[in-house]
Amino acid sequence: KQEVTQIPAALSVPEGENLVLNCSFTDSAIYNLQWFRQDPGKGLTSLLLIQSSQREQTSGRLNASLDKSSGRSTLYIAASQPGDSATYLCAVMGLGSNTGKLIFGQGTTLQVKP
Amino acid sequence: KAGVTQTPRYLIKTRGQQVTLSCSPISGHRSVSWYQQTPGQGLQFLFEYFSETQRNKGNFPGRFSGRQFSNSRSEMNVSTLELGDSALYLCASSLSGIPTSNSPLHFGNGTRLTVT
Repeated sequence: KQEVTQIPAALSVPEGENLVLNCSFTDSAIYNLQWFRQDPGKGLTSLLLIQSSQREQTSGRLNASLDKSSGRSTLYIAASQPGDSATYLCAVMGLGSNTGKLIFGQGTTLQVKP
Repeated sequence: KAGVTQTPRYLIKTRGQQVTLSCSPISGHRSVSWYQQTPGQGLQFLFEYFSETQRNKGNFPGRFSGRQFSNSRSEMNVSTLELGDSALYLCASSLSGIPTSNSPLHFGNGTRLTVT
């Protein structure tokens, strides 16, 4: 059974810092891994998606890496801003009968202080 | 282009009642999936529909059901509500159910269900 873990559960940093969020998963048989952002009371916004054959994806100040063999992914946020404050969730999509179904981690709640 | 629309935004129900939640996907999207989000369990997959067929189902009791219409709109129903069903219910749509970098999953803002 696939399990996804995110560390740390919460993080508070001053504006301008570079930071890394971690995600680990137990079953390497994945189709893809995605990072989402969730603002309070809102739905999820897709940030980056890494296919199982890829090692990383970049979008602006965000970079996500994937090491499928070790079951790890990291989300790197450069030059953090107060607007980055949100909960960040990683999720994996499995293969075969598990395709179409996302397994989520519990999230990392990030606060960026001005 | 309109996003994923979920109605209603808030619902308060009593134990034992039933509830129906609605989700209108982005135009052209044929896959709709549903998730339950609670503080204790986080986000958990309920089911996924594609072209009116349920393709995948999570580990929820039979009280949770859903359907998808020919216009891709979807509804989920929860019967005999329990206190533990209080949660944010999110639906997501995509073209095929398998998101890609160019065609990601789009989530609605959810329906907040409170069972008293």
